[in-house]
Amino acid sequence: DQQVKQNSPSLSVQEGRISILNCDYTNSMFDYFLWYKKYPAEGPTFLISISSIKDKNEDGRFTVFLNKSAKHLSLHIVPSQPGDSAVYFCAANFGNEKLTFGTGTRLTIIP
Amino acid sequence: DTAVSQTPKYLVTQMGNDKSIKCEQNLGHDTMYWYKQDSKKFLKIMFSYNNKELIINETVPNRFSPKSPDKAHLNLHINSLELGDSAVYFCASSLRQTEAFFGQGTRLTVV
Repeated sequence: DQQVKQNSPSLSVQEGRISILNCDYTNSMFDYFLWYKKYPAEGPTFLISISSIKDKNEDGRFTVFLNKSAKHLSLHIVPSQPGDSAVYFCAANFGNEKLTFGTGTRLTIIP
Repeated sequence: DTAVSQTPKYLVTQMGNDKSIKCEQNLGHDTMYWYKQDSKKFLKIMFSYNNKELIINETVPNRFSPKSPDKAHLNLHINSLELGDSAVYFCASSLRQTEAFFGQGTRLTVV
């Protein structure tokens, strides 16, 4: 039973444009959501997070939006840069330190 | 300075062997984890330790035994290795209920 889903396994975006990565979850108990970025042969790197009491969090080029009623979150990257090419994982937890991950979306930025 | 370091990075071994993966963090975190990324790229938690005490054990075969000699170390020992144990194993650490920082991963191949 996959509680965090990333339905797009891959996404290609032109450099300079906006990249939008989506994530859906089924467990309404989740109260903290995170995005991780992963390069090949490296561990996931924390990117940005959002608490369930907010609907938006911004950090530079990265913005995460949370729609609790739809159980949906998204990561916006603008403008997209070649170094953003990586696999992006959405993750969630509800305070027991156990992160539940999605299966990832491979983002490719086209120069 | 590497924040979360795990060794070895690659491990190739025969079925039936016993092997260990070591993990150390220098971030002063109180919680450490082992995650497994399987062939479908799904990242799933195996264990979580807080201040050297086991707090999460996610239905992992008892051939897997984590050992935390102190807050900065969490080693993973695997007995009687099986083909299905082949995966990438990630160590991570965090302060309780904040984002986790991951090591670079150990690619285990059982032949």
